[in-house]
Amino acid sequence: NAGVTQTPKFQVLKTGQSMTLQCAQDMNHEYMSWYRQDPGMGLRLIHYSVGAGITDQGEVPNGYNVSRSTTEDFPLRLLSAAPSQTSVYFCASSYRGTSNTEAFFGQGTRLTVV
Amino acid sequence: ILNVEQSPQSLHVQEGDSTNFTCSFPSSNFYALHWYRWETAKSPEALFVMTLNGDEKKKGRISATLNTKEGYSYLYIKGSQPEDSATYLCAFARYGNKLVFGAGTILRVKS
Repeated sequence: NAGVTQTPKFQVLKTGQSMTLQCAQDMNHEYMSWYRQDPGMGLRLIHYSVGAGITDQGEVPNGYNVSRSTTEDFPLRLLSAAPSQTSVYFCASSYRGTSNTEAFFGQGTRLTVV
Repeated sequence: ILNVEQSPQSLHVQEGDSTNFTCSFPSSNFYALHWYRWETAKSPEALFVMTLNGDEKKKGRISATLNTKEGYSYLYIKGSQPEDSATYLCAFARYGNKLVFGAGTILRVKS
């Protein structure tokens, strides 16, 4: 049982480039989310999904797109990378989205934009 | 905007010491409080999910308490070991809303 799998683990982008961070879970969880983690700050929610075909914005959505075509996959797209998007990105899933069930996290993607 | 505060920011203790951290959150419309343990180069892992005022949870040497009326939770580690070194995150939610994370407490245990 792999849990939540994120790829890649590390990435360097040039300003203006686009890329997709992949996230897959094999636990049949309804709820999936993307966070970014910056030094001295808590995990901040970028986008989330309560099920296939349904997505919504979190606290810091600008510059990012998501889609949820299957229960398993929830990719995060950076449309035109900026240095302010240098961060560690975590994907998470949980059985329900009502916040009383634990979240399972991927191992993170460390992104540097130069 | 919900504010979740964790203190201290970091803590250095000797092996065998007991320690505790605090998570403060808004006391109105409480729904759930989560604690996660995050080791370097690994993914955060859930320790506890707490939903009731007065809840006390325990996992081995780690325990947590919850006071929803005054808006705080304590995490205790008894007899700290070097393998307890990690960042401890708390996260708060109101019903139907998403988790809001604190910045974490970094614990370093020296042998």
